[in-house]
Amino acid sequence: GAVVSQHPSWVICKSGTSVKIECRSLDFQATTMFWYRQFPKQSLMLMATSNEGSKATYEQGVEKDKFLINHASLTLSTLTVTSAHPEDSSFYICSARPPGGGANGYTFGSGTRLTVV
Amino acid sequence: QQQVKQSPQSLIVQKGGIPIINCAYENTAFDYFPWYQQFPGKGPALLIAIRPDVSEKKEGRFTISFNKSAKQFSLHIMDSQPGDSATYFCAASVYTGNQFYFGTGTSLTVIP
Repeated sequence: GAVVSQHPSWVICKSGTSVKIECRSLDFQATTMFWYRQFPKQSLMLMATSNEGSKATYEQGVEKDKFLINHASLTLSTLTVTSAHPEDSSFYICSARPPGGGANGYTFGSGTRLTVV
Repeated sequence: QQQVKQSPQSLIVQKGGIPIINCAYENTAFDYFPWYQQFPGKGPALLIAIRPDVSEKKEGRFTISFNKSAKQFSLHIMDSQPGDSATYFCAASVYTGNQFYFGTGTSLTVIP
């Protein structure tokens, strides 16, 4: 089945620094990937849609200058949290599906726990 | 506006019990209703899903019941085990679309 890999699985950074999170589709090409954010004991909230070769589409209320998304290849999307602050601490999850499939094809990555100190 | 409402927020059952988690949706365009299981520190994993053409789907110990007219669907876990302790999310989407709308999650604890 489709596999989506995220790296790192956890990261601790100092306030004011930037952190990059990678999302890779291991056995398929993904023209679109999705980034979610999840606070403790809460649901997944879609942050942005990452489009290969073009600009990402951000959901309302998500700062595009803080959460930079780059989808430079058909198997890799990156989320960079710039000038991170403690309130950016959260669990970030990506998802993707093989082309041509329906909603049942979506696979989620294992998530990245970001802690900003 | 919460597109998918989920209840209860938490649930504790004894081993062998049948926990039931309920979800309701508003948008009649939705035609794909998955349930995801999430363990702490992990991403959600697809457990079981249903399309509106059937009222029930069973996979192993997991069953989805779907009521199209009421716009509700539920997850039943038969013979629950301690290993089923996790957070369960329902979701809804348009099958040919991209966006999922998640419920608020249910934390299930199965006591040995």
